[in-house]
Amino acid sequence: ETGVTQSPTHLIKTRGQQVTLRCSSQSGHNTVSWYQQALGQGPQFIFQYYREEENGRGNFPPRFSGLQFPNYSSELNVNALELDDSALYLCASSLVSRPEQFFGPGTRLTVL
Amino acid sequence: RKEVEQDPGPFNVPEGATVAFNCTYSNSASQSFFWYRQDCRKEPKLLMSVYSSGNEDGRFTAQLNRASQYISLLIRDSKLSDSATYLCVVKTNTDKLIFGTGTRLQVFP
Repeated sequence: ETGVTQSPTHLIKTRGQQVTLRCSSQSGHNTVSWYQQALGQGPQFIFQYYREEENGRGNFPPRFSGLQFPNYSSELNVNALELDDSALYLCASSLVSRPEQFFGPGTRLTVL
Repeated sequence: RKEVEQDPGPFNVPEGATVAFNCTYSNSASQSFFWYRQDCRKEPKLLMSVYSSGNEDGRFTAQLNRASQYISLLIRDSKLSDSATYLCVVKTNTDKLIFGTGTRLQVFP
């Protein structure tokens, strides 16, 4: 069974740029959720995808967007990067019928 | 008020000690409850789900009190390898996970 994978592991961008982060869900999992974790804080829910559609969104602006593909993998896109977007971005996969979510190793984004 | 509140710690305990963490949540419609463990600069890993009847997994015992909206985690016979941040997590009826800020545990020899 393959776990959740994310790429890249680290990324450095400058303010105003755009970034795309990628996630492959655990084998058999059909739901992907994205979280942002700032230093010293718990992860904050960004949004969830199921059947290639957004299935819930947290308190994040529209410049945070996503996609889910037929193979259940997902992308998180962030436009017009701001310094406060510097964080660990975590992807979690799950089965829609089960409450537990399993996390990938994350992408650490630094915005300069 | 935060949706999930935890004491950030740190809790510094010697090997072999018993330590307890508490957590409160504000949304009475919350449906599922978990403890995750997060090591420094790593992803959160599911430690255990928490059930109303209470549940145990080896040295770890979790309790849920829905009336008080309170969750606890007890670790017995602490090991050095238990040093980590423990995240209290609540799943809402909208299917998203709400995390506390975590409680840091440091077990020393």
